[in-house]
Amino acid sequence: NAGVTQTPKFQVLKTGQSMTLQCAQDMNHNSMYWYRQDPGMGLRLIYYSASEGTTDKGEVPNGYNVSRLNKREFSLRLESAAPSQTSVYFCASSESWPGDGNTIYFGEGSWLTVV
Amino acid sequence: LAKTTQPISMDSYEGQEVNITCSHNNIATNDYITWYQQFPSQGPRFIIQGYKTKVTNEVASLFIPADRKSSTLSLPRVSLSDTAVYYCLVGDDGTGGFKTIFGAGTRLFVKA
Repeated sequence: NAGVTQTPKFQVLKTGQSMTLQCAQDMNHNSMYWYRQDPGMGLRLIYYSASEGTTDKGEVPNGYNVSRLNKREFSLRLESAAPSQTSVYFCASSESWPGDGNTIYFGEGSWLTVV
Repeated sequence: LAKTTQPISMDSYEGQEVNITCSHNNIATNDYITWYQQFPSQGPRFIIQGYKTKVTNEVASLFIPADRKSSTLSLPRVSLSDTAVYYCLVGDDGTGGFKTIFGAGTRLFVKA
C-alpha cells in the first residue's frame, strides 16, 4: 500500500519557469491537501480539496493553482516560479474532514528550489 | 490563523517523560484533537487522537481535561529517536470546511 505518492521528489527551477507537482493517493480518500514547509518552519496550507470536484484556498494560495483531476489525484502548479517559492511541498489526504477524527496521511515531500 | 498554541521548543534527556501541552481555547464541540510527529525530511505522521479524557496507545498518551480547551501529549521514557517536531491539530480554522491549519509545532530535542 503506497499511501500518498508525490512526484518529483527534487526539482530545481529558474525564476519564471512553470512546473506541476503531481500527487496521487490509493486509499480512496475524499479529501486532499497541499502544504508547504519552509526551513525550520511549520506547515502552511496552500490549497485543499474537500471532495472530488471541489478546491479551495488555504493560508498561502498566491502563486499557485491546483487541479483535482479525479478522486485519486491532486496536482499543484506553479505558473511563474519565484525564489520565495523555494520550499518543501507536502501532499496529504484524509478520508474526510479531519475535525471528525479522520487521520491526515502525508506524502514524502517534494523539494523545490527556485534560482 | 492557527487555532492552537504550543511551546516552540522543549529539551529533554533520554529516559525522561515528556509532556507537551497544546492550548485550543476555541475548540468546537465536535472537534477531535490529533497529534502528529514529524522527523526531518519527512512528512508528518499520526501519533494519537482523542476527544475527551485520556487515550493511550503504544507510543503515547493524550490527556484532555473536561473543558477540552487544552490537551497534553505525554511521551514516556523518550529516546534520541523521539527528537522531532510535534503538532497539535484541532478541526479547521474556525470558518468551517476543511481548512486544516497546523500551528508551528513543538520542536523536541532529546539529549543523551
